[in-house]
Amino acid sequence: GQQVMQIPQYQHVQEGEDFTTYCNSSTTLSNIQWYKQRPGGHPVFLIQLVKSGEVKKQKRLTFQFGEAKKNSSLHITATQTTDVGTYFCAGRGQGAQKLVFGQGTRLTINP
Amino acid sequence: DAMVIQNPRYQVTQFGKPVTLSCSQTLNHNVMYWYQQKSSQAPKLLFHYYDKDFNNEADTPDNFQSRRPNTSFCFLDIRSPGLGDAAMYLCATSRTPGGYNSPLHFGNGTRLTVT
Repeated sequence: GQQVMQIPQYQHVQEGEDFTTYCNSSTTLSNIQWYKQRPGGHPVFLIQLVKSGEVKKQKRLTFQFGEAKKNSSLHITATQTTDVGTYFCAGRGQGAQKLVFGQGTRLTINP
Repeated sequence: DAMVIQNPRYQVTQFGKPVTLSCSQTLNHNVMYWYQQKSSQAPKLLFHYYDKDFNNEADTPDNFQSRRPNTSFCFLDIRSPGLGDAAMYLCATSRTPGGYNSPLHFGNGTRLTVT
């Protein structure tokens, strides 16, 4: 079945440093979504990417969808302590009816 | 505000004692999901309802059951909880299955402890 791999599993940075998490699917995706889960909280939707090669920005966050629609990345510029949490990608395979979550990247920040 | 509400926030049950977790939504979404999330892991889909149609994941144990009496409510029943069932249980909704063009809206979760 469809698998979504996400790396790294953990990332610790100094405040102000950049952060990137990568997501790779074993199959071509129809769309990919990104969620953020704060410690002790629940996943909150950030964004959806649908088109091949799509790039979307939300302030300091940049999301990319690969040309082959099998990989995606989230890049945070100049991290702030409010960025702490676990970032999950979730992909839907073509013709599939469910999202498959990656394992998540847990971001911690040294102020 | 429209939202997904889970009760209780924390639930303690004894080994083997049936427990029911509840979820309600005011979003009027067609799809309701139950996820199990263990520490430092991704949410794992147990099953979902698309309107009244129940869709079970192949690897969901028979110990887990669900009911959706109406659009707004969905319940997770654990018939005989084991120690391995201790986890956070997340309810989520979306307008369409798979969240296509319709992201998942999660509740705050119920943290289940099994003693």
